[in-house]
Amino acid sequence: GQNIDQPTEMTATEGAIVQINCTYQTSGFNGLFWYQQHAGEAPTFLSYNVLDGLEEKGRFSSFLSRSKGYSYLLLKELQMKDSASYLCAVNSGGYQKVTFGIGTKLQVIP
Amino acid sequence: NAGVTQTPKFQVLKTGQSMTLQCAQDMNHEYMSWYRQDPGMGLRLIHYSVGAGITDQGEVPNGYNVSRSTTEDFPLRLLSAAPSQTSVYFCASSTPDRINYGYTFGSGTRLTVV
Repeated sequence: GQNIDQPTEMTATEGAIVQINCTYQTSGFNGLFWYQQHAGEAPTFLSYNVLDGLEEKGRFSSFLSRSKGYSYLLLKELQMKDSASYLCAVNSGGYQKVTFGIGTKLQVIP
Repeated sequence: NAGVTQTPKFQVLKTGQSMTLQCAQDMNHEYMSWYRQDPGMGLRLIHYSVGAGITDQGEVPNGYNVSRSTTEDFPLRLLSAAPSQTSVYFCASSTPDRINYGYTFGSGTRLTVV
């Protein structure tokens, strides 16, 4: 079966750095997505990691270790607008085989 | 570019009623899919399509039908609504190149079945 684990909630301070972890156990692996979802809105694409290592996109970076079944999303210089849920999702096969975690709700406080 | 457009945004149905959730995209994406999102659960795939005339079942297809007569449109039909179908429904589309762009989601339809 497919299993994706990420913390339910996190709190961090404006201007700080926060790391959101995601561990997965899937039958097959093609890549791992991170999405951001503000309350009441649609998810928006942040990153898709296929190979091991760190990929940086501005204030956001995503890391993948396929051997450990582990990924993290790193958010730097936190802003209030970063308060949202962050969804980890694994593509383990064809187009349809994308399993989403329940998401990590991040609250950024002043 | 409107992206992915879903209608309606909100809907209340009585048990046993049927309805169609509309989804349209103007990005010429080959792939389209329907997800539902429930509290405490991740997004779950209902049905998907890899091109016009081609559809298949996802993880939770029971009680739903889809069709894909054009590249642009991918409606989701609830055959006989049940309270268990109360959820937020998202339509998503993508090209095969998901590395750079991922899925584009619509703004969602919030459905309540009473």
